Amino acid sequence: DAKTTQPPSMDCAEGRAANLPCNHSTISGNEYVYWYRQIHSQGPQYIIHGLKNNETNEMASLIITEDRKSSTLILPHATLRDTAVYYCIVSLAGGTSYGKLTFGQGTILTVHP
Amino acid sequence: DSGVTQTPKHLITATGQRVTLRCSPRSGDLSVYWYQQSLDQGLQFLIQYYNGEERAKGNILERFSAQQFPDLHSELNLSSLELGDSALYFCASSLSSYGYTFGSGTRLTVV
Repeated sequence: DAKTTQPPSMDCAEGRAANLPCNHSTISGNEYVYWYRQIHSQGPQYIIHGLKNNETNEMASLIITEDRKSSTLILPHATLRDTAVYYCIVSLAGGTSYGKLTFGQGTILTVHP
Repeated sequence: DSGVTQTPKHLITATGQRVTLRCSPRSGDLSVYWYQQSLDQGLQFLIQYYNGEERAKGNILERFSAQQFPDLHSELNLSSLELGDSALYFCASSLSSYGYTFGSGTRLTVV
């Protein structure tokens, strides 16, 4: 799996957009970018994933650069409940032999009032 | 409720003992993954099962073993426990692709 680099921590004001960057310069053509988050000591929660195109769901948007070497997770209107560790993971798709997710240290996002 | 059930939620045991952690995946999910999260190591992948068969192995110690049963639930067995095995143990499940669902974890404390 390709390695990812994320800033160790970020702050965001409540109600503002939170933009979390991730560098994955060694990503291969068939690897997806996944984002998960972990609130306190709960189980990690899936947020979004993408291959080439930008993606949006009810939780967030994922912007992937054209060369696929970096991406940004956008939480459009951050709330206090979005305070968590956010993990950017690059992995082959599929839940069988390719399904392993390798978690790095992630970015601690703190949303303040 | 994520649909992935882990029991017990908390476990306190002594060094040298053996414990079994249980995971019931979401209905229909064939893959089960086990992760260990300690303070100094972050989330570490241990092992994956798919429809009863071992599919991938991470940095799982020889003292640890796992299996997935015909009803797809999985058990993680930890033996000869050491203080350093104290951690959160998460189970996740998936059907075929795109996104795992994690359980709420078992907090193991070895004293």
